[in-house]
Amino acid sequence: NAGVTQTPKFRVLKTGQSMTLLCAQDMNHEYMYWYRQDPGMGLRLIHYSVGEGTTAKGEVPDGYNVSRLKKQNFLLGLESAAPSQTSVYFCASSYRLAGGDTQYFGPGTRLTVL
Amino acid sequence: TQLLEQSPQFLSIQEGENLTVYCNSSSVFSSLQWYRQEPGEGPVLLVTVVTGGEVKKLKRLTFQFGDARKDSSLHITAAQPGDTGLYLCAGMDSNYQLIWGAGTKLIIKP
Repeated sequence: NAGVTQTPKFRVLKTGQSMTLLCAQDMNHEYMYWYRQDPGMGLRLIHYSVGEGTTAKGEVPDGYNVSRLKKQNFLLGLESAAPSQTSVYFCASSYRLAGGDTQYFGPGTRLTVL
Repeated sequence: TQLLEQSPQFLSIQEGENLTVYCNSSSVFSSLQWYRQEPGEGPVLLVTVVTGGEVKKLKRLTFQFGDARKDSSLHITAAQPGDTGLYLCAGMDSNYQLIWGAGTKLIIKP
């Protein structure tokens, strides 16, 4: 039982490049989330999904897209990376809605955009 | 914009001391969670409090939800180096949105 896994762990991009972050969970959770964490700002929700095939915008969705084609996977895409997207990205999943249930977090992806 | 303010932002104390971390808001939350995050890892849930005035204990950690469900505190008794980490609070508002605090970075020196 791996829980929540994220790939890659580290990535350096140049401005304008694109990339996809992969999140996988093996707990059969319905809800999945993508957050970014910046110093002094806590966690901010980018996008989330309440089930396979559904996605919704969070607090800071601009510049990101997501897809949830399979229940266990949640992908976060950056189409044209900008230095402001330098951050640590966390994926999380939960059985019920976050706040009323335990969110399980992955180890994070540290992204630097030059 | 709803805010959850955590204080202090940073705390460094000696092993064996007691400490309290606060999580305050002007908004009412239906539930509030505390997470601990260690360097290079994702946050891990410590506790969820739901009822105003609720107190939960987890070994040396005591969590309290304010009577009005707008604030919470985390008290650690006889802190140990293993308690070192970033402590985050998160509250669920009436729109079922989870609001996160910026965190308290705690260092316990041996």
